[in-house]
Amino acid sequence: SSELTQDPAVSVALGQTVRITCQGDSLRSYFATWYQQKPGQTPVLVIYHRNNRPSGIPDRFSGSSSGNTASLTITGAQAEDEADYYCHSRDSSGNHVFGTGTKVTVL
Amino acid sequence: QVQLVQSGAEVKKPGASVKVSCKASGYTFTSYAIHWMRQAPGQRLEWMGWINAANGNTKYSQKFQGRVTITRDTSASTAYMELSSLRSEDTAMYYCARERIAARSYYMDVWGRGTTVTVSS
Repeated sequence: SSELTQDPAVSVALGQTVRITCQGDSLRSYFATWYQQKPGQTPVLVIYHRNNRPSGIPDRFSGSSSGNTASLTITGAQAEDEADYYCHSRDSSGNHVFGTGTKVTVL
Repeated sequence: QVQLVQSGAEVKKPGASVKVSCKASGYTFTSYAIHWMRQAPGQRLEWMGWINAANGNTKYSQKFQGRVTITRDTSASTAYMELSSLRSEDTAMYYCARERIAARSYYMDVWGRGTTVTVSS
Protein backbone atom coordinates (compact mmCIF):
# COMPACT_ATOMS: atom_id res chain seq x y z
CA SER A 1 0.00 0.00 0.00
CA SER A 2 1.08 3.58 -0.59
CA GLU A 3 2.63 5.72 2.11
CA LEU A 4 3.04 9.44 2.68
CA THR A 5 6.01 10.57 4.73
CA GLN A 6 6.22 13.84 6.65
CA ASP A 7 8.78 15.33 9.01
CA PRO A 8 7.59 14.66 12.56
CA ALA A 9 8.01 18.21 13.83
CA VAL A 10 9.02 21.69 12.76
CA SER A 11 9.20 24.98 14.58
CA VAL A 12 8.84 28.52 13.30
CA ALA A 13 9.26 31.93 14.87
CA LEU A 14 6.16 34.06 15.06
CA GLY A 15 5.66 35.88 11.77
CA GLN A 16 8.19 33.79 9.87
CA THR A 17 7.67 31.25 7.10
CA VAL A 18 7.59 27.48 7.47
CA ARG A 19 7.31 24.75 4.84
CA ILE A 20 5.97 21.28 5.56
CA THR A 21 6.68 18.53 3.07
CA CYS A 22 4.95 15.26 2.20
CA GLN A 23 6.55 12.56 0.07
CA GLY A 24 4.99 9.56 -1.60
CA ASP A 25 4.62 7.80 -4.91
CA SER A 26 0.89 8.52 -5.13
CA LEU A 27 1.71 12.24 -5.37
CA ARG A 28 3.04 11.68 -8.87
CA SER A 29 -0.55 10.99 -9.97
CA TYR A 30 -2.75 12.81 -7.45
CA PHE A 31 -2.52 16.16 -5.71
CA ALA A 32 -2.07 16.22 -1.98
CA THR A 33 -4.69 17.63 0.34
CA TRP A 34 -3.71 19.22 3.65
CA TYR A 35 -5.56 19.21 6.97
CA GLN A 36 -4.90 21.08 10.19
CA GLN A 37 -5.74 19.43 13.49
CA LYS A 38 -5.51 21.19 16.83
CA PRO A 39 -5.47 19.19 20.08
CA GLY A 40 -8.83 17.64 20.84
CA GLN A 41 -10.37 18.93 17.63
CA THR A 42 -11.56 17.54 14.32
CA PRO A 43 -9.27 17.90 11.28
CA VAL A 44 -9.93 20.96 9.15
CA LEU A 45 -9.28 21.16 5.41
CA VAL A 46 -6.75 23.91 4.64
CA ILE A 47 -5.50 23.19 1.09
CA TYR A 48 -7.00 21.12 -1.70
CA HIS A 49 -6.45 20.62 -5.43
CA ARG A 50 -2.89 21.86 -5.63
CA ASN A 51 -3.32 25.29 -4.05
CA ASN A 52 -6.93 26.05 -3.23
CA ARG A 53 -8.16 27.23 0.16
CA PRO A 54 -11.66 26.68 1.52
CA SER A 55 -13.46 29.81 2.62
CA GLY A 56 -12.28 30.94 6.01
CA ILE A 57 -8.72 29.66 5.61
CA PRO A 58 -6.22 32.56 5.68
CA ASP A 59 -4.20 33.27 2.57
CA ARG A 60 -0.97 32.74 4.50
CA PHE A 61 -1.55 29.02 3.79
CA SER A 62 -0.44 27.85 0.34
CA GLY A 63 0.32 24.56 -1.36
CA SER A 64 2.64 23.36 -4.09
CA SER A 65 3.86 20.11 -5.57
CA SER A 66 6.69 18.69 -7.65
CA GLY A 67 7.20 15.07 -8.58
CA ASN A 68 6.55 12.91 -5.53
CA THR A 69 6.64 15.78 -3.06
CA ALA A 70 3.90 18.14 -1.91
CA SER A 71 4.46 21.14 0.32
CA LEU A 72 2.35 23.28 2.60
CA THR A 73 3.74 26.72 3.32
CA ILE A 74 2.64 29.06 6.08
CA THR A 75 3.86 32.57 5.31
CA GLY A 76 3.84 34.75 8.40
CA ALA A 77 2.96 32.05 10.92
CA GLN A 78 0.62 33.02 13.73
CA ALA A 79 0.25 31.52 17.18
CA GLU A 80 -3.07 29.97 16.15
CA ASP A 81 -1.32 28.00 13.42
CA GLU A 82 0.29 25.76 16.03
CA ALA A 83 -1.20 22.35 15.26
CA ASP A 84 -0.64 18.99 13.64
CA TYR A 85 -0.76 18.97 9.86
CA TYR A 86 -1.58 15.92 7.76
CA CYS A 87 -1.30 15.43 4.04
CA HIS A 88 -3.66 13.05 2.25
CA SER A 89 -3.87 11.48 -1.16
CA ARG A 90 -5.59 8.80 -3.16
CA ASP A 91 -3.56 6.14 -4.93
CA SER A 92 -4.06 4.39 -8.25
CA SER A 93 -5.84 1.45 -6.56
CA GLY A 94 -8.52 3.69 -5.11
CA ASN A 95 -7.13 3.51 -1.60
CA HIS A 96 -6.57 6.64 0.42
CA VAL A 97 -3.69 7.40 2.72
CA PHE A 98 -2.80 10.04 5.27
CA GLY A 99 0.69 11.26 5.95
CA THR A 100 2.55 10.57 9.13
CA GLY A 101 1.78 14.07 10.39
CA THR A 102 3.87 17.13 11.24
CA LYS A 103 3.62 18.99 14.51
CA VAL A 104 4.14 22.70 13.95
CA THR A 105 5.29 24.76 16.92
CA VAL A 106 5.18 28.57 16.73
CA LEU A 107 7.86 30.11 18.92
CA GLN B 1 -25.61 24.11 6.68
CA VAL B 2 -23.77 21.01 5.53
CA GLN B 3 -22.94 18.76 8.43
CA LEU B 4 -22.25 15.20 9.44
CA VAL B 5 -23.52 14.17 12.86
CA GLN B 6 -22.03 11.05 14.39
CA SER B 7 -23.43 8.76 17.04
CA GLY B 8 -22.28 8.87 20.64
CA ALA B 9 -19.37 7.32 22.44
CA GLU B 10 -19.18 3.54 22.76
CA VAL B 11 -17.51 1.24 25.25
CA LYS B 12 -17.07 -2.36 24.11
CA LYS B 13 -15.45 -5.51 25.35
CA PRO B 14 -12.73 -7.29 23.38
CA GLY B 15 -14.20 -9.51 20.70
CA ALA B 16 -17.39 -7.47 20.36
CA SER B 17 -18.49 -5.33 17.42
CA VAL B 18 -19.32 -1.65 17.22
CA LYS B 19 -21.47 0.21 14.72
CA VAL B 20 -21.04 3.97 14.34
CA SER B 21 -23.47 6.13 12.40
CA CYS B 22 -22.92 9.34 10.45
CA LYS B 23 -26.03 11.33 9.52
CA ALA B 24 -25.71 13.85 6.71
CA SER B 25 -27.73 17.01 6.35
CA GLY B 26 -27.68 20.15 4.25
CA TYR B 27 -26.85 18.41 0.97
CA THR B 28 -27.98 15.57 -1.29
CA PHE B 29 -26.61 12.51 0.50
CA THR B 30 -26.28 10.37 -2.63
CA SER B 31 -24.16 12.93 -4.46
CA TYR B 32 -20.99 12.35 -2.43
CA ALA B 33 -18.98 9.45 -1.06
CA ILE B 34 -18.41 9.08 2.66
CA HIS B 35 -15.07 8.05 4.11
CA TRP B 36 -14.24 6.65 7.52
CA MET B 37 -11.01 7.34 9.40
CA ARG B 38 -9.78 6.67 12.87
CA GLN B 39 -7.18 8.17 15.17
CA ALA B 40 -5.82 6.35 18.20
CA PRO B 41 -4.73 8.56 21.13
CA GLY B 42 -1.62 10.49 20.15
CA GLN B 43 -1.43 8.78 16.77
CA ARG B 44 -1.90 9.75 13.14
CA LEU B 45 -5.09 9.71 11.11
CA GLU B 46 -5.73 6.33 9.55
CA TRP B 47 -8.00 5.73 6.57
CA MET B 48 -10.39 2.79 6.93
CA GLY B 49 -12.58 2.83 3.83
CA TRP B 50 -15.28 4.58 1.88
CA ILE B 51 -18.73 4.09 0.43
CA ASN B 52 -20.32 5.45 -2.71
CA ALA B 53 -23.51 6.79 -1.20
CA ALA B 54 -25.34 6.52 -4.53
CA ASN B 55 -24.80 2.84 -5.29
CA GLY B 56 -23.38 1.44 -2.07
CA ASN B 57 -20.07 0.35 -3.57
CA THR B 58 -17.31 0.18 -0.99
CA LYS B 59 -13.55 -0.01 -0.74
CA TYR B 60 -11.67 -0.88 2.43
CA SER B 61 -8.13 -0.43 3.61
CA GLN B 62 -6.31 -3.73 3.45
CA LYS B 63 -5.53 -3.35 7.15
CA PHE B 64 -9.21 -3.59 8.06
CA GLN B 65 -10.40 -5.93 5.30
CA GLY B 66 -12.58 -8.62 6.79
CA ARG B 67 -13.27 -6.70 9.98
CA VAL B 68 -14.91 -3.50 8.73
CA THR B 69 -18.22 -3.07 6.95
CA ILE B 70 -19.44 0.28 5.67
CA THR B 71 -23.08 0.62 4.68
CA ARG B 72 -25.58 3.37 4.06
CA ASP B 73 -29.30 4.01 4.33
CA THR B 74 -30.25 6.56 1.69
CA SER B 75 -33.72 7.06 3.18
CA ALA B 76 -32.06 8.23 6.38
CA SER B 77 -29.12 10.01 4.73
CA THR B 78 -26.89 8.01 7.04
CA ALA B 79 -23.69 6.04 6.62
CA TYR B 80 -22.55 3.36 9.03
CA MET B 81 -19.22 1.83 9.92
CA GLU B 82 -19.16 -1.50 11.73
CA LEU B 83 -15.92 -2.90 13.12
CA SER B 84 -15.86 -6.44 14.45
CA SER B 85 -13.55 -8.57 16.59
CA LEU B 86 -12.58 -5.52 18.59
CA ARG B 87 -9.30 -5.45 20.46
CA SER B 88 -7.71 -2.88 22.74
CA GLU B 89 -5.76 -1.42 19.82
CA ASP B 90 -9.05 -0.36 18.25
CA THR B 91 -9.57 2.21 20.99
CA ALA B 92 -9.69 5.44 19.00
CA MET B 93 -11.70 8.36 17.75
CA TYR B 94 -13.61 7.39 14.61
CA TYR B 95 -14.46 10.07 12.03
CA CYS B 96 -16.65 10.17 8.95
CA ALA B 97 -16.07 12.75 6.22
CA ARG B 98 -17.57 13.76 2.89
CA GLU B 99 -15.46 13.32 -0.21
CA ARG B 100 -15.05 15.92 -2.92
CA ILE B 101 -13.22 15.49 -6.21
CA ALA B 102 -11.49 18.07 -8.40
CA ALA B 103 -9.33 16.75 -11.23
CA ARG B 104 -6.66 14.49 -9.70
CA SER B 105 -7.50 15.79 -6.27
CA TYR B 106 -9.57 13.96 -3.68
CA TYR B 107 -10.32 15.77 -0.47
CA MET B 108 -12.63 15.69 2.52
CA ASP B 109 -14.34 18.98 3.04
CA VAL B 110 -16.80 18.20 5.83
CA TRP B 111 -16.02 16.03 8.84
CA GLY B 112 -18.11 14.62 11.62
CA ARG B 113 -17.02 15.54 15.14
CA GLY B 114 -15.90 12.00 15.84
CA THR B 115 -17.08 9.06 17.90
CA THR B 116 -14.94 7.72 20.70
CA VAL B 117 -14.75 3.94 20.81
CA THR B 118 -13.13 2.41 23.87
CA VAL B 119 -12.33 -1.28 23.96
CA SER B 120 -11.76 -2.54 27.46
CA SER B 121 -12.44 -5.66 29.45
